Amino acid sequence: QQQVKQSPQSLIVQKGGISIINCAYENTAFDYFPWYQQFPGKGPALLIAIRPDVSEKKEGRFTISFNKSAKQFSLHIMDSQPGDSATYFCAASMDSNYQLIWGAGTKLIIKP
Amino acid sequence: GAGVSQSPSNKVTEKGKDVELRCDPISGHTALYWYRQSLGQGLEFLIYFQGNSAPDKSGLPSDRFSAERTGGSVSTLTIQRTQQEDSAVYLCASSLVGSRGLPFTGELFFGEGSRLTVL
Repeated sequence: QQQVKQSPQSLIVQKGGISIINCAYENTAFDYFPWYQQFPGKGPALLIAIRPDVSEKKEGRFTISFNKSAKQFSLHIMDSQPGDSATYFCAASMDSNYQLIWGAGTKLIIKP
Repeated sequence: GAGVSQSPSNKVTEKGKDVELRCDPISGHTALYWYRQSLGQGLEFLIYFQGNSAPDKSGLPSDRFSAERTGGSVSTLTIQRTQQEDSAVYLCASSLVGSRGLPFTGELFFGEGSRLTVL
């Protein structure tokens, strides 16, 4: 019930292509869905987040698509660049709760 | 400082020794978390602090692991009698809010981690 399932585990995309990472959850009480980006040797950093009152949020080349009925959300990286190569984590939480439930992570490699 | 600071950045120790890892959160952040990340793996929750108290210690792997936080600021994670399976990166994160009744923004600010190698 508390799990967030993330796929794929790893992803290789050509420069300029679209990278898509998917996450699914079970707990309908979740109401906050962030994505974190982690570069090697660094801690994760918040990239973009969405709440279930909207179906899509876009920030630059990064877009979250949210499907409440399917209990799924995804990260789309448009015009992927080698500098986007990193590990991406999705997560979910509830307002009034301190705990983030993390996906297992996706290692993204953008080939030049 | 401007961000979460962790020390040491790297620690190599012998099996059976005790180690202390330090986290200095962003000033004013009341919530503090410790996570463990094994090589190429995800984030394993260890412990959560709200102020100086730790209402959730559920992720500590064994009684060899302990943590404290003083003055609502600096936190220390202590691992006693280290084992090889303790080798990992230990990440600290802080957050502005997190207590029940207040909206949780979900934004955790992470340090760069302390890489622990147990020989």
